[in-house]
Amino acid sequence: DGGITQSPKYLFRKEGQNVTLSCEQNLNHDAMYWYRQDPGQGLRLIYYSQIVNDFQKGDIAEGYSVSREKKESFPLTVTSAQKNPTAFYLCASSIIDRGTDTQYFGPGTRLTVL
Amino acid sequence: DAKTTQPPSMDCAEGRAANLPCNHSTISGNEYVYWYRQIHSQGPQYIIHGLKNNETNEMASLIITEDRKSSTLILPHATLRDTAVYYCIVRVENDMRFGAGTRLTVKP
Repeated sequence: DGGITQSPKYLFRKEGQNVTLSCEQNLNHDAMYWYRQDPGQGLRLIYYSQIVNDFQKGDIAEGYSVSREKKESFPLTVTSAQKNPTAFYLCASSIIDRGTDTQYFGPGTRLTVL
Repeated sequence: DAKTTQPPSMDCAEGRAANLPCNHSTISGNEYVYWYRQIHSQGPQYIIHGLKNNETNEMASLIITEDRKSSTLILPHATLRDTAVYYCIVRVENDMRFGAGTRLTVKP
């Protein structure tokens, strides 16, 4: 069963705790992305990675960190420095192909910080 | 900032064609137009994309005007399961700039 998996679907944490969201893909895609979505809003890019051991900040990287140790995996850590972490987090992946790299999304993780 | 403008909401009767417009007047010559949709609390689903020519796949058709300043996504026979938020996106580097989209409601 190919695709992008994110776990867990729902996550609850206490304020001040770091939390790591999982994203795995078995599509052999080069690039992976993390987005945040707030209620009634579009997606905003947090981080992206085009190759193992390299990643770039998106528009709203403050308070987040990522790693890309394997091609298949791109975990996102929401740190205690993120002032408003409650949101729906989406992971995506794509082949890098000269401007037509269609991104495919996982099912998302809904994080609630209490 | 999204580079596209879409109506916030539209209704469509089940079985009829749904035509979703999008304006992208500042699009550059090498930028593609992408369409995704998102059903509540799920990840966005890729529908179709195009550069200059009209495109069709098993889900939809994409009509891009000759000047590329606007496009229309056509769902030929809308069903209740097509109720979703539809996003028109002009790709900017490595970032899909999702705006607020159009909430399409298909009614029986």
